[in-house]
Amino acid sequence: AQSVSQHNHHVILSEAASLELGCNYSYGGTVNLFWYVQYPGQHLQLLLKYFSGDPLVKGIKGFEAEFIKSKFSFNLRKPSVQWSDTAEYFCAVNPGSGNTGKLIFGQGTTLQVKP
Amino acid sequence: ETGVTQSPTHLIKTRGQQVTLRCSSQSGHNTVSWYQQALGQGPQFIFQYYREEENGRGNFPPRFSGLQFPNYSSELNVNALELDDSALYLCASVGATGELFFGEGSRLTVL
Repeated sequence: AQSVSQHNHHVILSEAASLELGCNYSYGGTVNLFWYVQYPGQHLQLLLKYFSGDPLVKGIKGFEAEFIKSKFSFNLRKPSVQWSDTAEYFCAVNPGSGNTGKLIFGQGTTLQVKP
Repeated sequence: ETGVTQSPTHLIKTRGQQVTLRCSSQSGHNTVSWYQQALGQGPQFIFQYYREEENGRGNFPPRFSGLQFPNYSSELNVNALELDDSALYLCASVGATGELFFGEGSRLTVL
């Protein structure tokens, strides 16, 4: 079955520390990849997405992610986190089935940034 | 703001009852998806509607059903509620670039 695995369930960092959140998926075909973020009390919103082309994609608020096809990975990075990055982060995959609204989500990573 | 609104925001039902959740999609988006998010988990795909027809379904039983209307608003109906149906239900409208725009969700508690 198709699945998405996020390695870290809860990450605690100090401000200015670097961030890397791991994401691996199990699907052998063409995929579209996403990272969504949910700030406390807010709706899910898109951080960045990869459909094709340059495997290093940049998103909002200084986030970036790298698609490594051979490793089935799409890790999220930020060089220097801020207190306002405290949120829950979800990696998601659209398995390219034609159902554009179908995403398979990982279980999420809670990021806590200490001021 | 995503332009996707859901109602009600919170509701409490008892086991065996039926519930209807509503979603108003972002203007111009003709595809809507529904997700269930249990506490501490990522959202799980329930189904997708495109131009009033269901055209994709996740691993949910038939007692989960939906409707999409000509104005692209939609409903999620759940019959014979079970305790495990307690969750946050999310509606998302699908943009032309494949981005999903989520509402804030309806939190259902089944007692």
